[in-house]
Amino acid sequence: GIQVEQSPPDLILQEGANSTLRCNFSDSVNNLQWFHQNPWGQLINLFYIPSGTKQNGRLSATTVATERYSLLYISSSQTTDSGVYFCAAAYGNNRLAFGKGNQVVVIP
Amino acid sequence: DGGITQSPKYLFRKEGQNVTLSCEQNLNHDAMYWYRQDPGQGLRLIYYSQIVNDFQKGDIAEGYSVSREKKESFPLTVTSAQKNPTAFYLCASMFTGDTEAFFGQGTRLTVV
Repeated sequence: GIQVEQSPPDLILQEGANSTLRCNFSDSVNNLQWFHQNPWGQLINLFYIPSGTKQNGRLSATTVATERYSLLYISSSQTTDSGVYFCAAAYGNNRLAFGKGNQVVVIP
Repeated sequence: DGGITQSPKYLFRKEGQNVTLSCEQNLNHDAMYWYRQDPGQGLRLIYYSQIVNDFQKGDIAEGYSVSREKKESFPLTVTSAQKNPTAFYLCASMFTGDTEAFFGQGTRLTVV
């Protein structure tokens, strides 16, 4: 299967700071998703982004499929941005391979 | 409301007992998935189903079983053969093809 690596594993931000999370994948993928796991464990869909760039408020994502990576940008971070961010790469019969996540803590 | 419902949210069982986790969706999705998450880890695929009455093993299927008798439902049984069953279990669904996956709220299983 595909290997998905996320970096950095842990990130502490001052409120208002910007950050970039990276997701590398080992082979060609059908699509790429970013999720935010809330404190109760639910995965919230952020972006479905097989390629190109999308923006949603203070969050944006870019996937460069030919170079096998995706980036999630958080601008003007808020304490509510804290949590774990996962990227998931779809391959084969829509199997999703997850990275281990980026644990983000935003301090006021 | 449309969505994916997992029940129960919390489940406690004694070692050696089988337990079944429920996953129901009303999104008319064809494909359904079960994932396991351990603390500090990503999600690992247990089983998935692309169509009714058919399912495939994922990466960590040993000690688990599933059924897909209805399009809306994909229950997961954690059997006594699963050596480390305590974990957070997440169910997902999507349309077949290159589409977006959506997840339920999860079931936290503790075996004592």
